[in-house]
Amino acid sequence: GESVGLHLPTLSVQEGDNSIINCAYSNSASDYFIWYKQESGKGPQFIIDIRSNMDKRQGQRVTVLLNKTVKHLSLQIAATQPGDSAVYFCAENGRANAGGTSYGKLTFGQGTILTVHP
Amino acid sequence: DGGITQSPKYLFRKEGQNVTLSCEQNLNHDAMYWYRQDPGQGLRLIYYSQIVNDFQKGDIAEGYSVSREKKESFPLTVTSAQKNPTAFYLCATKRRGLSYGYTFGSGTRLTVV
Repeated sequence: GESVGLHLPTLSVQEGDNSIINCAYSNSASDYFIWYKQESGKGPQFIIDIRSNMDKRQGQRVTVLLNKTVKHLSLQIAATQPGDSAVYFCAENGRANAGGTSYGKLTFGQGTILTVHP
Repeated sequence: DGGITQSPKYLFRKEGQNVTLSCEQNLNHDAMYWYRQDPGQGLRLIYYSQIVNDFQKGDIAEGYSVSREKKESFPLTVTSAQKNPTAFYLCATKRRGLSYGYTFGSGTRLTVV
């Protein structure tokens, strides 16, 4: 569900390492998932998405894995660079969030602070 | 920012004042959302609107008000009833359909002085 008053977990890695950021979601009816990257003082930016009929999707240096059985989502970043340092949020959208409309309303995960050391 | 303009970027409010944050979009998205983000924390939903002249309360609507008179605009007013308004405010839009995410604006940082 949404983060309320909780401080974010952190992940520190060395430049060049692979990073894995995890997210647990709560709504088994969710059928669309997104990862966002938020740099300090900026709005979140879309990284990659995945639909519930897939379990893996790859982008440029990023891979998202979806395990519906345990309601778990992960973001893998290959060859992490200092420019990847940011807060990463997962989000889910599903019919249970739609309230009878065709829009839905994203439910955000807690977020993880990624710090990449040169 | 993908066609979403939030203004101002920085805003200072005195105790007891109402202030209005602007959010304008040219993406032709129907739905618009306001989120609050406190330092080092996640996103909390304040209000959202899925159609002109209609809006719904989010999880932390107390002390805030909105209007949606035009599709392109969804201003947020932080009233004097909001006792702790210092935060980063994010506006987002979404197109119709469950398989789409949000597009976010660049945010407004509000500080009470």
